[in-house]
Amino acid sequence: AQSVAQPEDQVNVAEGNPLTVKCTYSVSGNPYLFWYVQYPNRGLQFLLKYITGDNLVKGSYGFEAEFNKSQTSFHLKKPSALVSDSALYFCAVRDRVDSNYQLIWGAGTKLIIKP
Amino acid sequence: GAGVSQSPSNKVTEKGKDVELRCDPISGHTALYWYRQRLGQGLEFLIYFQGNSAPDKSGLPSDRFSAERTGESVSTLTIQRTQQEDSAVYLCASSLGRTSGTYEQYFGPGTRLTVT
Repeated sequence: AQSVAQPEDQVNVAEGNPLTVKCTYSVSGNPYLFWYVQYPNRGLQFLLKYITGDNLVKGSYGFEAEFNKSQTSFHLKKPSALVSDSALYFCAVRDRVDSNYQLIWGAGTKLIIKP
Repeated sequence: GAGVSQSPSNKVTEKGKDVELRCDPISGHTALYWYRQRLGQGLEFLIYFQGNSAPDKSGLPSDRFSAERTGESVSTLTIQRTQQEDSAVYLCASSLGRTSGTYEQYFGPGTRLTVT
């Protein structure tokens, strides 16, 4: 069965420091992987995706994520955090061979950037 | 271009009443999803429409919940005889669907439902 794990409920980072939000997945085949961000009282916004090709994917707002097949991970990173990055982050996966075109969602990680 | 829109943005209703939530997907998006998000929690899948195929209703929590979509246009999610446990934000998302080769979903702002 497909699954996504975001092992940290909350991540605290000082402004200007690098940040990492972790995501691991389990699929039977090869994955499509996604990160979304949800700002307070807003809907989810698409940040970036991995479909194929370069394992390092760059997305919106200076975020990037690295696909690591051996570790089945897709951690979200940013070199220098901003207070405005404080939000709820969701990782999602879809198995390429799955005829059901839904995404499987992680539980979310609350990112708090302190000035 | 226009994104996914949802109405109303907020709905307060009394326990036992029926409510109808509306979603307008992005034009040309064949796939449409409804999710429920309780306060401080993740997304709970409710239902999925893909073009004219039969919808995947596997996430609907009870028979009080139903949804319709005509073709590739507007969708409505109906909750009958609302209960306090139904209080949540209901999110709608759309995507290009099966033939696009991309699968990211685009979300509306949500409808915040409060059952008193």
